[in-house]
Amino acid sequence: SQQGEEDPQALSIQEGENATMNCSYKTSINNLQWYRQNSGRGLVHLILIRSNEREKHSGRLRVTLDTSKKSSSLLITASRAADTASYFCATEETSGSRLTFGEGTQLTVNP
Amino acid sequence: EAQVTQNPRYLITVTGKKLTVTCSQNMNHEYMSWYRQDPGLGLRQIYYSMNVEVTDKGDVPEGYKVSRKEKRNFPLILESPSPNQTSLYFCASSLFGQEQFFGPGTRLTVL
Repeated sequence: SQQGEEDPQALSIQEGENATMNCSYKTSINNLQWYRQNSGRGLVHLILIRSNEREKHSGRLRVTLDTSKKSSSLLITASRAADTASYFCATEETSGSRLTFGEGTQLTVNP
Repeated sequence: EAQVTQNPRYLITVTGKKLTVTCSQNMNHEYMSWYRQDPGLGLRQIYYSMNVEVTDKGDVPEGYKVSRKEKRNFPLILESPSPNQTSLYFCASSLFGQEQFFGPGTRLTVL
């Protein structure tokens, strides 16, 4: 079963704009992670945010976590064409160490 | 270089012919996992392993087997492949509660 659900499924923006992707999940979690995947390639880890954290930054990335709403958002500021990729959220449930992925958001940044 | 390797990267086979996809990591990670990725379905976990000789079913284990005889290796075995197992397969590893490192993927076609 899919734990995380990303929204929107697809997002198309212009270079320089900000991109926001959302993730909702269903159960209690230890942490939530965001990954990026270029077409057909392996996933690359972006940010991990723990359940007791509310916000985390890494370069142009900002992740928020609201455990009361069971949701997270990934903000990419000043987007670049090279940011074009699929972005996935994944949750590590408190019941175990499994990581469950959502279906992803396809981001296209137009030059 | 810290990495997860998978072999083969591409494989075309026929229904019923047993195959093994190897996965190896050099980071001394306890946790290893196999996923399959299909269009519109995101990543679905097949099996995972918390340590040597400890394996558990993920969301879609039917038709697959795994073993964890050594910490670094986690092969995926398809005893009798069928066309519905045509997919892109990823192996991943991590320390508990940390981000996962993904292999480059194995594209499998079962005719």
